[in-house]
Amino acid sequence: GEDVEQSLFLSVREGDSSVINCTYTDSSSTYLYWYKQEPGAGLQLLTYIFSNMDMKQDQRLTVLLNKKDKHLSLRIADTQTGDSAIYFCAESRSGYSTLTFGKGTMLLVSP
Amino acid sequence: GAGVSQSPSNKVTEKGKDVELRCDPISGHTALYWYRQSLGQGLEFLIYFQGNSAPDKSGLPSDRFSAERTGGSVSTLTIQRTQQEDSAVYLCASSLVGTGAIEVRGYTFGSGTRLTVV
Repeated sequence: GEDVEQSLFLSVREGDSSVINCTYTDSSSTYLYWYKQEPGAGLQLLTYIFSNMDMKQDQRLTVLLNKKDKHLSLRIADTQTGDSAIYFCAESRSGYSTLTFGKGTMLLVSP
Repeated sequence: GAGVSQSPSNKVTEKGKDVELRCDPISGHTALYWYRQSLGQGLEFLIYFQGNSAPDKSGLPSDRFSAERTGGSVSTLTIQRTQQEDSAVYLCASSLVGTGAIEVRGYTFGSGTRLTVV
């Protein structure tokens, strides 16, 4: 299977919470990241979490990490139409200088 | 510059022609990466430059692809004899590399070059 897996699509209504999930396979992952890509743009770093943390909160964003299950999630509270984008999960591994990305989850927020 | 700059933003080329894509990283970033983004394929790693070290070319899909980085700054990705399957968005990113730097800061991406081979 893929090193980093994500569901491909998520649709929510404005004001609801969104939860985007990611699983990874490498137990040596050191940092895990969430990137956001808006149409026609490059990827923008949203947040990251160190592998010895369980949770990180940054305004409307909450990252949860279950290292035992190798599962990462991004929760967006009070989702807005401007949050519509593709969200990529990525990992860095000890001793490697490149990040491994998932295929991205397209989030569609409807009014 | 303030961000990673890529040019051109769009390129349409005929099958069999050569193309050059340019990336100007953030000043002072020692690491530079090229990725390819195809519909449904996510981000595919192509090549990585770090300082004066030999580049990691392990992601280049064929010998038609090559890249260079002059003076540790600007990079050019060249695709020779383009094929229709080369159509994709080519993304460049740069980062600081040092103790914890890449891990904490991740990459800064450019807006990409959309290549269409007709």
